[in-house]
Amino acid sequence: GAVVSQHPSRVICKSGTSVKIECRSLDFQATTMFWYRQFPKQSLMLMATSNEGSKATYEQGVEKDKFLINHASLTLSTLTVTSAHPEDSSFYICSAPIDQETQYFGPGTRLLVL
Amino acid sequence: GEDVEQSLFLSVREGDSSVINCTYTDSSSTYLYWYKQEPGAGLQLLTYIFSNMDMKQDQRLTVLLNKKDKHLSLRIADTQTGDSAIYFCAESISGGYNKLIFGAGTRLAVHP
Repeated sequence: GAVVSQHPSRVICKSGTSVKIECRSLDFQATTMFWYRQFPKQSLMLMATSNEGSKATYEQGVEKDKFLINHASLTLSTLTVTSAHPEDSSFYICSAPIDQETQYFGPGTRLLVL
Repeated sequence: GEDVEQSLFLSVREGDSSVINCTYTDSSSTYLYWYKQEPGAGLQLLTYIFSNMDMKQDQRLTVLLNKKDKHLSLRIADTQTGDSAIYFCAESISGGYNKLIFGAGTRLAVHP
């Protein structure tokens, strides 16, 4: 069945470094993917919509220069957290719609910035 | 703006039915969803309902939609310990293809 993968599953980095998270759709193509972040015991907050071949669309309050999104192909979107700080520590989840009704979520990437 | 609200915690005995409730604000939402999240994992789509329906049943799951009151519920029959997880209600945003707004999640605890 349709699956979305994320890599890495968890990452620990030092403050000030950049971290890249990959989101891949397996067995299907996704011209659109979504990036969410989830703080502990909270809901998912939509950060941005990743569009293949064009610029990402960011939700209000999300810094586009800090969270760089590149939709390199029909099966891959990357989120780069630039100059990460401890407050960026969170669970980042991507999703990819397979049709108008259904989207599949990746397993998430836990980022810890020291 | 759009908002989705859920109660935060529900505790049930194994074998009983669980009912998780959700209210939403966007009356033009096309689809409403229930997702399940186990600890440290991503989201698993459980079921969804189209906004012109008022009920959908899928094995042990029953979704009820009251569009007038903007109220959605998920009933899990014969709840098992494996059903312990966080359940998220989500609505599709009008004009946003597949863009979802999530509730805070209801933590379901199933005890013997």
